[in-house]
Amino acid sequence: GESVGLHLPTLSVQEGDNSIINCAYSNSASDYFIWYKQESGKGPQFIIDIRSNMDKRQGQRVTVLLNKTVKHLSLQIAATQPGDSAVYFCAENLGNNRLAFGKGNQVVVIP
Amino acid sequence: EPEVTQTPSHQVTQMGQEVILRCVPISNHLYFYWYRQILGQKVEFLVSFYNNEISEKSEIFDDQFSVERPDGSNFTLKIRSTKLEDSAMYFCASGGVQETQYFGPGTRLLVL
Repeated sequence: GESVGLHLPTLSVQEGDNSIINCAYSNSASDYFIWYKQESGKGPQFIIDIRSNMDKRQGQRVTVLLNKTVKHLSLQIAATQPGDSAVYFCAENLGNNRLAFGKGNQVVVIP
Repeated sequence: EPEVTQTPSHQVTQMGQEVILRCVPISNHLYFYWYRQILGQKVEFLVSFYNNEISEKSEIFDDQFSVERPDGSNFTLKIRSTKLEDSAMYFCASGGVQETQYFGPGTRLLVL
């Protein structure tokens, strides 16, 4: 039978280049956001988070930008490596720590 | 580094059977969660648990589902009478006083 599922947006990036992954969130009252990385067959792995009182936060090789005006999050990965190949999800805290995940973006790193 | 662990990694069951999915959260965490991910789809919130009671649940978490923290380390999700549409990856997560949730590797449930 035919399989039904989400066709994920895919970003193909050359090893060493920078990657930018975008996410739109739904709830203007959300005050906490997280980026997760999910490799095939594994659980979501925490990458970086940001609160709504900030518009930028940096980690190791990753930067998250938050634009509350347009309800938009982005994740920038510097010097992308083959190990960065995965599906990346943004998640927003709807309240009571109930996370709502976005659809996900597939990142494929080309060696 | 402490991790959330889940057992079993895979479970195959017949429709109508009960299943119990087990999780060991990170030891000093106080907040516990179950999420599910149907193949190829988004991760969906099921339930959150704090101070030995459910604090929030989604519309997916109907009377067929229950959670329990039977001792100081385990956190379980029971599905009383499984349906075909319960087939999914089930992820346990835990969190401390900060909001960050750390996920386990998941249990893949297949209902036949």
